[in-house]
Amino acid sequence: DARVTQTPRDKVTEMGQEVTMRCQPILGHNTVFWYRQTMMQGLELLAYFRNRAPLDDSGMPKDRFSAEMPDATLATLKIQPSEPRDSAVYFCASASGQANTGELFFGEGSRLTVL
Amino acid sequence: SQQGEEDPQALSIQEGENATMNCSYKTSINNLQWYRQNSGRGLVHLILIRSNEREKHSGRLRVTLDTSKKSSSLLITASRAADTASYFCATVWNSGNTPLVFGKGTRLSVIA
Repeated sequence: DARVTQTPRDKVTEMGQEVTMRCQPILGHNTVFWYRQTMMQGLELLAYFRNRAPLDDSGMPKDRFSAEMPDATLATLKIQPSEPRDSAVYFCASASGQANTGELFFGEGSRLTVL
Repeated sequence: SQQGEEDPQALSIQEGENATMNCSYKTSINNLQWYRQNSGRGLVHLILIRSNEREKHSGRLRVTLDTSKKSSSLLITASRAADTASYFCATVWNSGNTPLVFGKGTRLSVIA
């Protein structure tokens, strides 16, 4: 049963701490997305990669957020330092082929609470 | 923002009734997709309709697309309590290789 795996599922941290979220895309999928979901903004695209290369990270606050794909089976989203306004659910999704043709497969999300 | 907008924001119906949700968007699109999200879970793809299609069916789901009005609708027939979820439309712009842009969703409650 192929699925996108995200860790951690829940994270509570203090303001100023570093937070790293990890995502294992579906094997064979070459496009990986990071979305953030809040009640106010809905789902916002933070960054996405194709074949491990970043294509667009314009949705990400550059001063504190960074996204990488160390290899084809792992994507990371790091926040340093974290702030209370970063509290949200962060979703990773993967897709095969082009970013604009087919469906996205979402993980279950990482719920982040920054106190 | 170029994201799609779902209407209504929330919908409550009785089991067995039909549920209709609408999505409007602003730019020309390549395709439009509908997703469902159960509380506390990730989004799940329901159906994709391409810009040259007008209607598509999948089980109890019926999606229509009117590119002249830049709108789409999702109809769930004979709703069940298990259909309770948030439903999102997502559009792929026609310009460039851009990824899905999601609306804020419609929260559907089906009361048994």
